[in-house]
Amino acid sequence: NAGVTQTPKFQVLKTGQSMTLQCAQDMNHEYMSWYRQDPGMGLRLIHYSVGAGITDQGEVPNGYNVSRSTTEDFPLRLLSAAPSQTSVYFCASSYRGSGGYTFGSGTRLTVV
Amino acid sequence: DAKTTQPNSMESNEEEPVHLPCNHSTISGTDYIHWYRQLPSQGPEYVIHGLTSNVNNRMASLAIAEDRKSSTLILHRATLRDAAVYYCILRDGSWGKLQFGAGTQVVVTP
Repeated sequence: NAGVTQTPKFQVLKTGQSMTLQCAQDMNHEYMSWYRQDPGMGLRLIHYSVGAGITDQGEVPNGYNVSRSTTEDFPLRLLSAAPSQTSVYFCASSYRGSGGYTFGSGTRLTVV
Repeated sequence: DAKTTQPNSMESNEEEPVHLPCNHSTISGTDYIHWYRQLPSQGPEYVIHGLTSNVNNRMASLAIAEDRKSSTLILHRATLRDAAVYYCILRDGSWGKLQFGAGTQVVVTP
């Protein structure tokens, strides 16, 4: 049971480049979310999904796209990277209802 | 979304209990009280959650006030590995989003 797997663990992008952060879970969780965490700060919600084909925006969605074609995968796309998107990105998943979320180990992204 | 208020930091001696308070005066009837912790350079880790009654698990205990406007996470015997940022979050039972605040930095001294 791998839990929540994020790839890559580290990435350096140039301003204007695009890329996709991958997130996969093997627990058949309905809910999945993406967060970013800037140095010394708490986590901020970017996008979330309550099931395949259903996504919605969180607090800081600008510059990011998501889609959820399967229960297992929830990729996060950066359309045109900017230095302000330098951050650590966490993916999380949960069963529907009140239970706890499982978090991935994060992707550390630097945009130069 | 309902918000929570926590102290910025708390300090404890090793092997002593730690009581982490959280205020959530605007909590709604469908909000569950969740606690997560984040160790340095790691992703958040689920600790415990509850709705109305006190809850215990292998990691901690959660004491919920009768009016649900506050709660306390109790670490029974702090160890150096418990040094982390602890987040108190309200999760709506219907939608399930988690919105993090700044959390409480727990420092454990030997």
